[in-house]
Amino acid sequence: QVQLVESGGGVVQPGRSLRLSCAASGFSFSNNGMQWVRQAPGKGLEWVAVISYDGSNKYHADSVKGRFTISRDNSKNTLYLQMNSLRVEDTAVYYCAKGGGEMALEYWGQGTLVTVSS
Amino acid sequence: EIVMTQSPATLSVSPGERATLSCRASRSLSSDLAWYQQKPGQAPRLLIYGASTRATGIPARFSGSGSGTEFTLTISSLQSEDFAVYYCQQYNDWPPLTFGGGTKVEIK
Repeated sequence: QVQLVESGGGVVQPGRSLRLSCAASGFSFSNNGMQWVRQAPGKGLEWVAVISYDGSNKYHADSVKGRFTISRDNSKNTLYLQMNSLRVEDTAVYYCAKGGGEMALEYWGQGTLVTVSS
Repeated sequence: EIVMTQSPATLSVSPGERATLSCRASRSLSSDLAWYQQKPGQAPRLLIYGASTRATGIPARFSGSGSGTEFTLTISSLQSEDFAVYYCQQYNDWPPLTFGGGTKVEIK
């Protein structure tokens, strides 16, 4: 069965960096686009980034552009989100999800909480 | 950017009653619209894609309709496990992919 397991969240000070990982199993990772979606406490869902199956195409939300970078390692079946220059408003649960931008997201991880606070 | 607007923000419904949730897009999506259900502390769960196709394992009481800019999610007879927040999402014109603000379905 499809499994997506995020890790790497935690408490970090504003301006610092954090890298999230999403370990995928149960499907052909290298043949699928992947996404990151986040949810601030008590708020709705916000799309963060998408990457194509081979990593050749990447898109980021304007709110994170220039600070966050989505990437993948198909040899390790792992998706990443490098988050630099973190801000208080980046505090959220970050979910990875299976699927490129042209489709609905059928599989989601359980999420990892990132708290940006001094 | 396509803006997704959901209404109402909160819907109070009694168990066994019908619930109708709306989602409006700022421009046409064709049928590239998904609905998700989210319960507290859980990841979103895909209910509907292609505006009207139920995802795997989704009960028949959930149905989606609409195309273009107006979409509806109907829950024909609310069960206790259906009280949750529901989001619509467009995947027609991206980036960015965009979600609606959500509709909370609560017990009346």
